[in-house]
Amino acid sequence: QSALTQPASVSGSPGQSITISCTGTSSDVGDYNYVSWYQQHPGKAPKLMIYDVSNRPSGVSNRFSGSKSGNTASLTISGLQAEDEADYYCSSYTSSSTRVFGGGTRLTVV
Amino acid sequence: EVQLVESGGGLVQPGGSLRLSCAASGFTFSSYSMNWVRQAPGKGLEWVSYISSSSRTKHYADSVKGRFTISRDYAKNALYLEMNSLRVEDTALYYCARDVFGSYNLDCWGQGTLVTVSS
Repeated sequence: QSALTQPASVSGSPGQSITISCTGTSSDVGDYNYVSWYQQHPGKAPKLMIYDVSNRPSGVSNRFSGSKSGNTASLTISGLQAEDEADYYCSSYTSSSTRVFGGGTRLTVV
Repeated sequence: EVQLVESGGGLVQPGGSLRLSCAASGFTFSSYSMNWVRQAPGKGLEWVSYISSSSRTKHYADSVKGRFTISRDYAKNALYLEMNSLRVEDTALYYCARDVFGSYNLDCWGQGTLVTVSS
């Protein structure tokens, strides 16, 4: 199972919006709505930000939103804040009943 | 408060074995499916293994299939990962993670336990 494809890095200024893409195949992202996004700050455990493509867990800011079109899922962060600077990973359930992660995207708030 | 605490990591030689544990608290352990996810130093996340709430279903990444075994103890509210024939490339921080109820997304994570495979 190949990793999902994410851009290595994205950047934005405070207050701006950014979008991180996550491209898979018809055997994972394209066929299931079990797509999730995780935020990871240095030295910390990952934190679930979006699940089932577009649902936010309790306590996660509504500045974070998710969507999917075909084999590509997206995470959008609006009103960028300094604390959003972190690594972001997408993940999907697969037709083999396994999970696959993306390679990760480093978000820099400049 | 939901809590997952991993233990059992350490330094092991290639070809050796190790058993990781994850102590769960703050939720009804028997109702949730559980997973192990690892992260090599400076690298991204890699899903390792899944066990259903009933233990009837288990899945493994191709990279560990036949070498790792996932299990759980309901009396102890504990998740385990038995790792055999360890390789240098198994060196990573191993996280225990709970699935969102009824879904396949990881909503709670432990802090991880470090496994180092080196001679």
